[in-house]
Amino acid sequence: AQSVTQLDSQVPVFEEAPVELRCNYSSSVSVYLFWYVQYPNQGLQLLLKYLSGSTLVKGINGFEAEFNKSQTSFHLRKPSVHISDTAEYFCAVSVTGSGGSNYKLTFGKGTLLTVNP
Amino acid sequence: GAGVSQSPRYKVTKRGQDVALRCDPISGHVSLYWYRQALGQGPEFLTYFNYEAQQDKSGLPNDRFSAERPEGSISTLTIQRTEQRDSAMYRCASSSFGSTEAFFGQGTRLTVV
Repeated sequence: AQSVTQLDSQVPVFEEAPVELRCNYSSSVSVYLFWYVQYPNQGLQLLLKYLSGSTLVKGINGFEAEFNKSQTSFHLRKPSVHISDTAEYFCAVSVTGSGGSNYKLTFGKGTLLTVNP
Repeated sequence: GAGVSQSPRYKVTKRGQDVALRCDPISGHVSLYWYRQALGQGPEFLTYFNYEAQQDKSGLPNDRFSAERPEGSISTLTIQRTEQRDSAMYRCASSSFGSTEAFFGQGTRLTVV
């Protein structure tokens, strides 16, 4: 079984400051890694994903994340945040492999990012 | 439609009543997923379909919960004899077959009183 830990339930930052949202996972098998964002009154939207290859992954809206296998981490970063980045962010994993086994996402509890002016 | 559509957006029901939640996936998406998200938690997997076939229902919490997708498009999640602990956001997602990107709907907020 897999598990995901998002270490911070809330992260307040000022506009234009850098931010890092932390995510650690536990799994006995190889995983795919994802970050989803949920804006108020909207569905979950994929920010970025790591499947294989380069451990630095770039996503939408200027976000990036780095996969660190030895630390089982997949932290999300943005060098300069905007008010519009205020949202809840979810880290998720799924098992790699064929046969559709990657369909089942295991989510963390989420981190609420609040960007203040 | 352009995205995954769920209805109703909000549902308040009395304990003991049955409810049916609907999901209309993105046109052409073969795979459909149901998740449940309690307050302050991340979404938890309930069940998954490829076309009309239910591939995995291991996340359904008990036999009061069932799901179907009879024509391989619209899906219905049914909860019988609702209990207060069933109150949550129910999320549906769809994807192309074998894709690692799932597109989520806005969810149905279920409140059992």
